Amino acid sequence: QKEVEQDPGPLSVPEGAIVSLNCTYSNSAFQYFMWYRQYSRKGPELLMYTYSSGNKEDGRFTAQVDKSSKYISLFIRDSQPSDSATYLCAMLGGSYIPTFGRGTSLIVHP
Amino acid sequence: SAVISQKPSRDICQRGTSLTIQCQVDSQVTMMFWYRQQPGQSLTLIATANQGSEATYESGFVIDKFPISRPNLTFSTLTVSNMSPEDSSIYLCSVEGDRAETQYFGPGTRLLVL
Repeated sequence: QKEVEQDPGPLSVPEGAIVSLNCTYSNSAFQYFMWYRQYSRKGPELLMYTYSSGNKEDGRFTAQVDKSSKYISLFIRDSQPSDSATYLCAMLGGSYIPTFGRGTSLIVHP
Repeated sequence: SAVISQKPSRDICQRGTSLTIQCQVDSQVTMMFWYRQQPGQSLTLIATANQGSEATYESGFVIDKFPISRPNLTFSTLTVSNMSPEDSSIYLCSVEGDRAETQYFGPGTRLLVL
């Protein structure tokens, strides 16, 4: 079992939909949880990070962490075609080296 | 945030040859990282490069295959040596932000080995 599991998709949604992207993990030592966005032919870009359990909101994006279930989510409200990208979750705990998921490809069609 | 550039952006190489990838950062940073991103796979850390010391390699990666230089606080190179088609991948450099949970990535180097 990989430390971080993430469905690669693709996930295709219509413009304006609420998108839910998820990761599960097995290492209970993870304390920091990050979401990166990667456009085609670009490097990953940090979107948000959270510490421990709870929610964090930034504009149309909400990150949610449930440590009891070892489950994290990224919600995108009012999705736009410009949100089409690959979203990678990453986790950190006990080390400065994050563990990344495989990424979920999101397609938002007009 | 840090602005990172990489050269070349892409290359097609013959097996058995070597390619050196350059990474330039617009500010001084202590730690630089080199990752490999293969299709459908998660980012895999190759090594951590600190200025003035030998790079630290992750399990499965060795210095003879991926020699790294870190001559100053804004620059690093990764060489992919004696390439085979299995080395075809995207190679990314990154730097740590003001917190360990923030990393900034370069645009990547897309390598195809024939």
